Amino acid sequence: AQSVTQPDIHITVSEGASLELRCNYSYGATPYLFWYVQSPGQGLQLLLKYFSGDTLVQGIKGFEAEFKRSQSSFNLRKPSVHWSDAAEYFCAVGPSGTYKYIFGTGTRLKVLA
Amino acid sequence: DTGVSQNPRHKITKRGQNVTFRCDPISEHNRLYWYRQTLGQGPEFLTYFQNEAQLEKSRLLSDRFSAERPKGSFSTLEIQRTEQGDSAMYLCASSSTENTEAFFGQGTRLTVV
Repeated sequence: AQSVTQPDIHITVSEGASLELRCNYSYGATPYLFWYVQSPGQGLQLLLKYFSGDTLVQGIKGFEAEFKRSQSSFNLRKPSVHWSDAAEYFCAVGPSGTYKYIFGTGTRLKVLA
Repeated sequence: DTGVSQNPRHKITKRGQNVTFRCDPISEHNRLYWYRQTLGQGPEFLTYFQNEAQLEKSRLLSDRFSAERPKGSFSTLEIQRTEQGDSAMYLCASSSTENTEAFFGQGTRLTVV
């Protein structure tokens, strides 16, 4: 079955600390992988995506993610978190050609001043 | 670029009433998607249009739900005889054939009382 698992429901970090949000997927074919961020009451904003090539991808707002095929993982990282990064983060997987995404349940990030 | 626009942003309705939501995609986008997001969950795919053709419907889209995109531009999602379980955020997204990701609107939050 196709699925996305985000094992951490909530994460709290101090401002300036590093961040890693975990994402594991189960998908039959080569997946297209995405990370989206959602602020309260807002829609989803794309942070970064991976289709092929270099397994370390850079996104907006200083985020990066690494695709590890052997671990079926696509973890999101940021070296230094800002208070404005507090939001909910969703990992998603989808087939090429369409955007019928399968989303994880999300990780809510809290940033302590 | 005004982005994907959804109206209304919020809707409160009594159980049993019909509701209709509207989505205006980014103007040159030929693909349009509807997702539903319940509290504490990631978005779940509902349906997908390419131009005016509805190409895929999720099993989540019961007979009470209908979506249209009559001229391949804006889309409407109607829910008939609403139930409390329909309370959710309804997200619309659009993309073009050349895009590598979907762009999401801010959503319509439905509350059924």
